[in-house]
Amino acid sequence: ILNVEQSPQSLHVQEGDSTNFTCSFPSSNFYALHWYRWETAKSPEALFVMTLNGDEKKKGRISATLNTKEGYSYLYIKGSQPEDSATYLCAFPSPADYKLSFGAGTTVTVRA
Amino acid sequence: AAGVIQSPRHLIKEKRETATLKCYPIPRHDTVYWYQQGPGQDPQFLISFYEKMQSDKGSIPDRFSAQQFSDYHSELNMSSLELGDSALYFCASSHQGQGDSEQYFGPGTRLTVT
Repeated sequence: ILNVEQSPQSLHVQEGDSTNFTCSFPSSNFYALHWYRWETAKSPEALFVMTLNGDEKKKGRISATLNTKEGYSYLYIKGSQPEDSATYLCAFPSPADYKLSFGAGTTVTVRA
Repeated sequence: AAGVIQSPRHLIKEKRETATLKCYPIPRHDTVYWYQQGPGQDPQFLISFYEKMQSDKGSIPDRFSAQQFSDYHSELNMSSLELGDSALYFCASSHQGQGDSEQYFGPGTRLTVT
């Protein structure tokens, strides 16, 4: 199991504010990085799969960047809304067998 | 769009009983992954199948077995259940089993062992 770390563990954000949080992963033998959004009582929803250093992907108000050389990815939420409240998981597939190792997640709570 | 289907959604079993969880991947997905999430824990990878063959094995107890059938659905068989097996079991599917393919998760099966 590969060491994938996310910080902070939780965030409280005022509606309308923007926020970001980090996923760090082993920088050697990088293959891809996955971001998932996980709402309570639902299954994880795929957000992004990032493969190239310098990649930046966007879905609505959510975007992510990738630095494979230093082993981190940022996820940004612009103009947070209450529906953005969820746990955001990053996952790193092993280059050898594609088995995903998940971070512990960053739980975002958006206050109206 | 069709999603990953898991059944049953909830299951209550007693210690030492057996349980079978089923997963139906998204059509045309050829890879299935099983994850276990204990209370307050991260999802842990159990086992995966690509084209009906086991492709990788994670932290799956010997009491558990799984297979992928010709229609690509998968079943996770759990025997001699223990209290610690109580968890949410997720199945995910992807196409071609490559690390850069998004995994689409099912709703999970919540197993409670009493």
